[in-house]
Amino acid sequence: NAGVTQTPKFQVLKTGQSMTLQCAQDMNHNSMYWYRQDPGMGLRLIYYSASEGTTDKGEVPNGYNVSRLNKREFSLRLESAAPSQTSVYFCASSEAGQVGNTIYFGEGSWLTVV
Amino acid sequence: GQQVMQIPQYQHVQEGEDFTTYCNSSTTLSNIQWYKQRPGGHPVFLIQLVKSGEVKKQKRLTFQFGEAKKNSSLHITATQTTDVGTYFCAATMNNAGNMLTFGGGTRLMVKP
Repeated sequence: NAGVTQTPKFQVLKTGQSMTLQCAQDMNHNSMYWYRQDPGMGLRLIYYSASEGTTDKGEVPNGYNVSRLNKREFSLRLESAAPSQTSVYFCASSEAGQVGNTIYFGEGSWLTVV
Repeated sequence: GQQVMQIPQYQHVQEGEDFTTYCNSSTTLSNIQWYKQRPGGHPVFLIQLVKSGEVKKQKRLTFQFGEAKKNSSLHITATQTTDVGTYFCAATMNNAGNMLTFGGGTRLMVKP
């Protein structure tokens, strides 16, 4: 049982380049999330998908887009990367909405924008 | 800005000493969750507190939810090197939907 799998694990981008972070979960969860983690800032929600077919902005959505491809997969796209987007990105999922539900995190994607 | 403040940001302890991290909010919280992240790893769920004044224990870890549901604490008794990592609280605010807001985390370092 893999849980939440995200790729790539490491990526270096040049300013202005685009890329997509892929995420898949095999727990049949309804809700999926993308967070970024910066030193001293904890985890900040970028976008989430409460259920298949829906997506909503989180706390820091600017510069990102998401796609809930199906129940298993939720991708995060950076259309024109900026150095401020250098961060560790975590995909996560939960059975339903976050209240009362355990969130399961992927192992993280380390992104550097130069 | 952050609505959930976590202190301290860092803590160095000698192995065997106790450790406490605190999570505070000016807003009443619906519930609070605690996560642990090992260095280079990902956050892993530890526990959820829902009721006012609730106290839960997991071996050497004691979690507490304040009576006013505006603060919470995690206390580790007799720390071990395996306790090293960053501890995050994550809370749902009343009347703020279902999303969790994470505290900034407390990084625990244990000297053997």
